[in-house]
Amino acid sequence: GAVVSQHPSRVICKSGTSVKIECRSLDFQATTMFWYRQFPKQSLMLMATSNEGSKATYEQGVEKDKFLINHASLTLSTLTVTSAHPEDSSFYICSARFGSYNSPLHFGNGTRLTVT
Amino acid sequence: AQTVTQSQPEMSVQEAETVTLSCTYDTSESDYYLFWYKQPPSRQMILVIRQEAYKQQNATENRFSVNFQKAAKSFSLKISDSQLGDAAMYFCAYSLGGSEKLVFGKGTKLTVNP
Repeated sequence: GAVVSQHPSRVICKSGTSVKIECRSLDFQATTMFWYRQFPKQSLMLMATSNEGSKATYEQGVEKDKFLINHASLTLSTLTVTSAHPEDSSFYICSARFGSYNSPLHFGNGTRLTVT
Repeated sequence: AQTVTQSQPEMSVQEAETVTLSCTYDTSESDYYLFWYKQPPSRQMILVIRQEAYKQQNATENRFSVNFQKAAKSFSLKISDSQLGDAAMYFCAYSLGGSEKLVFGKGTKLTVNP
């Protein structure tokens, strides 16, 4: 079945550095991918919609310059957390849709980011 | 704005018993989809079941079924013959028809006792 792969699963970085997280659709093409953020014991909050070949669409309150999204191919979207701070520490999850707009989303395994 | 409310932060059930998780939502739209996702300790989000709002028949997937009450905007999940592997966070989610955005509830942590 359709699989979404996310890498890395865990990353620790120092404050002020940038971190890139990759989201790949392994056996299907995804024109749209989604990035979510999940705080401990909280729900998933949509950060942005990643569109292949065009700019990402960010949700209200999400800093575009802070969370850079690049969807350069039909199978890869990347989220770069720039100048990371401890408050950026969180669990980031990507998802992609295989098929038409009303088909289910498939989620990656998530990335645990810790900023020290 | 659409909202999804899960009023039970935690639930527990004995193995082989049945448990129902509650979910209500708020929308003025008529075309939408509702979902239950499971998030085990591995953090992988797994789709459990999906319901199209235009369908009156409640969706079922093996031991999982929903009670969809459109007028009441209620979408509860029933897990029958609970198994230890069912222990996880369960999230109710909503998406507007034609939209790809999912709005999640805050989740219910289900514990299955042997």
